[in-house]
Amino acid sequence: NAGVTQTPKFQVLKTGQSMTLQCAQDMNHNSMYWYRQDPGMGLRLIYYSASEGTTDKGEVPNGYNVSRLNKREFSLRLESAAPSQTSVYFCASSVDGATQYFGPGTRLLVL
Amino acid sequence: GENVEQHPSTLSVQEGDSAVIKCTYSDSASNYFPWYKQELGKRPQLIIDIRSNVGEKKDQRIAVTLNKTAKHFSLHITETQPEDSAVYFCAAIAQAGTALIFGKGTTLSVSS
Repeated sequence: NAGVTQTPKFQVLKTGQSMTLQCAQDMNHNSMYWYRQDPGMGLRLIYYSASEGTTDKGEVPNGYNVSRLNKREFSLRLESAAPSQTSVYFCASSVDGATQYFGPGTRLLVL
Repeated sequence: GENVEQHPSTLSVQEGDSAVIKCTYSDSASNYFPWYKQELGKRPQLIIDIRSNVGEKKDQRIAVTLNKTAKHFSLHITETQPEDSAVYFCAAIAQAGTALIFGKGTTLSVSS
């Protein structure tokens, strides 16, 4: 039981490049979430998926897209990366829509 | 929507002292309030949570209290130890099907 896994662990992009952050959970959780964490800003919600087949915007969705591929997987895509998207990205999942379990994070640097 | 304010942003205590972190929330419909601990370079981990039908919950050296009337909740850590040093986040959620809203975090430093 790996819990929540994320790939890659670390990525460097040039401005304008695209990439997809992958997240998977093996806990049969219904809900999945993407957050970004910046110094002094806490954890800010980008997008979430309350159940398979649904996605909703969070606090900071601009510049991102998501796909709930199936119950296990929830990906985050940056179509044209910008330096302002340099951050640590955390995926999380929840069985009841409340208690969340986080993945190990992806550190993204956009030059 | 929900807004969560967390204070203080930094807190320094001596080993063995108590530490208290406070959060206020704006949505009176919020009914679930977790606390997460994040060590440097690690993921946030749930340490304790409380639901709106309970006023206080304890787990060894940590406790959480909830005042629904005033819309605030607090984390209490007693007999602090150096390994308690971390960033602590509070959060709140108003309804199932939405998502947790987090406070900006408190950096706790416990010196021996």
